[in-house]
Amino acid sequence: GAVVSQHPSRVICKSGTSVKIECRSLDFQATTMFWYRQFPKQSLMLMATSNEGSKATYEQGVEKDKFLINHASLTLSTLTVTSAHPEDSSFYICSARDRGNHSPLHFGNGTRLTVT
Amino acid sequence: KNQVEQSPQSLIILEGKNCTLQCNYTVSPFSNLRWYKQDTGRGPVSLTIMTFSENTKSNGRYTATLDADTKQSSLHITASQLSDSASYICVVSAQTGANNLFFGTGTRLTVIP
Repeated sequence: GAVVSQHPSRVICKSGTSVKIECRSLDFQATTMFWYRQFPKQSLMLMATSNEGSKATYEQGVEKDKFLINHASLTLSTLTVTSAHPEDSSFYICSARDRGNHSPLHFGNGTRLTVT
Repeated sequence: KNQVEQSPQSLIILEGKNCTLQCNYTVSPFSNLRWYKQDTGRGPVSLTIMTFSENTKSNGRYTATLDADTKQSSLHITASQLSDSASYICVVSAQTGANNLFFGTGTRLTVIP
C-alpha cells in the first residue's frame, strides 16, 4: 500500500536554530501534502497544505515565515521550523493522498521536535 | 459550521471486553467518514471508510457504523487486546472545499490486562 516516510522521527535542537523535517511519498506521486501539529492528548491540527510547484496554503494563525514549506517535487515536501523556540516543541505529522481529493490520506509516522 | 465531535474523550477497558466509540458530525455536504487508529508517537492509520450509502463495515475486530440521517458514526471494537490501546480519530470529508477534511479530537482508549 501507499507509504509516506517522514524524517527524522525525533529531533532535539537549541533555541534559535532551525530544523528541517522531510515528508516523502515512497510509491506514489503527491501533488498535495499536508502538515499537522499535534499537542499531547489532542487531535491533529492542520498547519498548511503543501502544493507541488507553488506556494503553500497556511491555516489561520500559522506563521508562514516561521514554518517554511517547500514542495519541490511530486514525492517530497519539507517543513522548516525557523528560529525555533521551546513553545514550538510538538509532534509534527505530514500526510499525502495518492489520487484525488477523496482518496484516503496516508500519514507519516511523525516527528517529535524538542526545543531546549 | 463544519465540526466533528467524538465521545468519550478517554476510555479504559479490561482486555477481552468490547467497547464502542462515537462520532457526531455536522459536515456538509458529506462525502465520507474514516476512522483512524493512532498509536502513541506514530502517525494515524486508516481502519475503515464509510460512504453515504454504507451503514456498516468491518475490518477484523473493528466494526464501523454510519447513520447519515442523524450524522452519527460509531466504531465498535470486539474482544479488545492490549494492542488496541491508542487514540481513535474520526475524520469526515466534505464534498467541496479546498480544505475538505475535518478531524475529531479523538478518543484515547486504554486496554488493561
